[in-house]
Amino acid sequence: DSGVTQTPKHLITATGQRVTLRCSPRSGDLSVYWYQQSLDQGLQFLIQYYNGEERAKGNILERFSAQQFPDLHSELNLSSLELGDSALYFCASSVGGGITDTQYFGPGTRLTVL
Amino acid sequence: EDQVTQSPEALRLQEGESSSLNCSYTVSGLRGLFWYRQDPGKGPEFLFTLYSAGEEKEKERLKATLTKKESFLHITAPKPEDSATYLCAVQERSSNTGKLIFGQGTTLQVKP
Repeated sequence: DSGVTQTPKHLITATGQRVTLRCSPRSGDLSVYWYQQSLDQGLQFLIQYYNGEERAKGNILERFSAQQFPDLHSELNLSSLELGDSALYFCASSVGGGITDTQYFGPGTRLTVL
Repeated sequence: EDQVTQSPEALRLQEGESSSLNCSYTVSGLRGLFWYRQDPGKGPEFLFTLYSAGEEKEKERLKATLTKKESFLHITAPKPEDSATYLCAVQERSSNTGKLIFGQGTTLQVKP
């Protein structure tokens, strides 16, 4: 158990819908990262937040947005969902801003878009 | 373009049969190379971080090494419980963030 929690574990929804994925980092960690894992693309970095501020953006679609709240939990919002958004979404956390920090991953949320 | 390539894609070993997994990378400058283990349907589990060429780290039956262009994960006398997907990731020196660039992984199956 990494100490990172993610809810829900599974999510099944329809195209065009909007969903919210939630992540609670390990106690004391200030950075939260979101990654998408699909069969053809592997693990892709989406976005990093550090102490409430956006720190880095990766291959995140405009239909996706994220935020980190004062209690340091984070939410990833996915809207106008398409079939291709079906994937595993992982949250990770680290103590500092990320440079050489070890990132600890949560168990993931499996999103299925029908 | 920054790239991480892992080989082989899949590896089948008999219990006790040692082998190595390869991770080659192309980045403008390496800040760190990370190895993770991932079981089906679960999140990646951290194994090692390597920072500079020549560095080695060990944990039980696993040993990770780093050169200027690649890293190897050596598995000595593997057991069935070592079956998993092993992921390699790099962090660029020019990045002031925690962004990791992952390879596609090597799926290891160890048969009793």
